[in-house]
Amino acid sequence: EVQLVQSGAEVKKPGDSLKISCKVSGYSFTSYWIGWVRQMPGKGLELMGSIFPGDSDTRYSPSFQGQVTISADKSITTAYLQWTRLRASDTAMYYCAGGAALFDYWGQGTLVTVSS
Amino acid sequence: EIVLTQSPATLALSPGERATLSCRASQSVSSYLAWYQQKPGQAPRLLIYEASNRATGIPARFSGSGSGTDFTLTISSLEPEDFAVYYCQQRRNWPPWTFGQGTKVEIK
Repeated sequence: EVQLVQSGAEVKKPGDSLKISCKVSGYSFTSYWIGWVRQMPGKGLELMGSIFPGDSDTRYSPSFQGQVTISADKSITTAYLQWTRLRASDTAMYYCAGGAALFDYWGQGTLVTVSS
Repeated sequence: EIVLTQSPATLALSPGERATLSCRASQSVSSYLAWYQQKPGQAPRLLIYEASNRATGIPARFSGSGSGTDFTLTISSLEPEDFAVYYCQQRRNWPPWTFGQGTKVEIK
């Protein structure tokens, strides 16, 4: 069974750093792209960027370039999304997704709330 | 960046009716288009990939068609569980693999 299990909800203050994770099991982690998708409250899906864990090729959507860092650890089949300085506007649900058809499989989502 | 425009924004139909959703790309994406369904409080689910291929476990009432710039998702006869938001996504060009803004299918 394929599973993408994300880390739990976070409540942070503006200026805090954060790293959320996505543990993949049930398929070849190094063979397919993993993407991170933002969904702000009541809004649509936005692809932030993707990583190919096989060679760590990482690509960012223009809106998110420089704002976040995407990484992966092949040894533990886990992908990460990281912020160095959170803003209130980063409050959203974040999904990881992967698979051969790009996004066959999705994590359950990590809710990040940034508030002073 | 390729822009995907979905129409209509909202589609109000009754169970048993046929739903036709449109996704138009600002430039050709060949057949590299997927459709997802998202219900409230849930992660999106892949329905269709490469424009017309149903993902594993997706009922036959869902079908996709089109190529180039114009694509359609058809639900032949709406079931109660089909009322949700539907998104298209292209993977022809990076950056990025853009999503459309979504079409909400609601109960009339």
